[in-house]
Amino acid sequence: KNQVEQSPQSLIILEGKNCTLQCNYTVSPFSNLRWYKQDTGRGPVSLTIMTFSENTKSNGRYTATLDADTKQSSLHITASQLSDSASYICVVSGLNDYKLSFGAGTTVTVRA
Amino acid sequence: KAGVTQTPRYLIKTRGQQVTLSCSPISGHRSVSWYQQTPGQGLQFLFEYFSETQRNKGNFPGRFSGRQFSNSRSEMNVSTLELGDSALYLCASSSNIAGDNTDTQYFGPGTRLTVL
Repeated sequence: KNQVEQSPQSLIILEGKNCTLQCNYTVSPFSNLRWYKQDTGRGPVSLTIMTFSENTKSNGRYTATLDADTKQSSLHITASQLSDSASYICVVSGLNDYKLSFGAGTTVTVRA
Repeated sequence: KAGVTQTPRYLIKTRGQQVTLSCSPISGHRSVSWYQQTPGQGLQFLFEYFSETQRNKGNFPGRFSGRQFSNSRSEMNVSTLELGDSALYLCASSSNIAGDNTDTQYFGPGTRLTVL
């Protein structure tokens, strides 16, 4: 079973609307969690990195939250733009071996 | 600063052949990680090199190997190619001096490998 589960698998939103993506993980002990944005045909780009002591971090219109107790994270996109259409990947790093566990990603499509 | 570069961008091989992919990290970065991305499995970690030493390894067979040179450039080799090796191979560089993956990773555009 994957140690990082993302939901929904895909979503479609209208330009200007907000949306929230979810990431649940079982990696323990945990070092850090990061969100990446991957445009079609390109490599992922880091949006946020959070350690267990952080519970929110923003990068422009992207805000990530982390609840280390429940092992849940969310990525909130505010006032979506067409350029937000991409796959968003949640990645968790273990504390002892620092190996990275990847979620399958959420594909976001923003429509005008 | 120039970003992470990968060559070639596209490659077509046949089963049984071997392939070598190249990655040049951002100047000053000593950590280079390799990933395989497929529609079915998503992103999977292959291995990480730091200062010419393999520091972490994922769960891939021995057909997948890599190395890092003194200038931090890295190569990945896949021998005896199988159809299932068709994927996007991504390279990422970071400082990651402590090895705890808290530094931002910067990804290259990837090499699209097709095995026929």
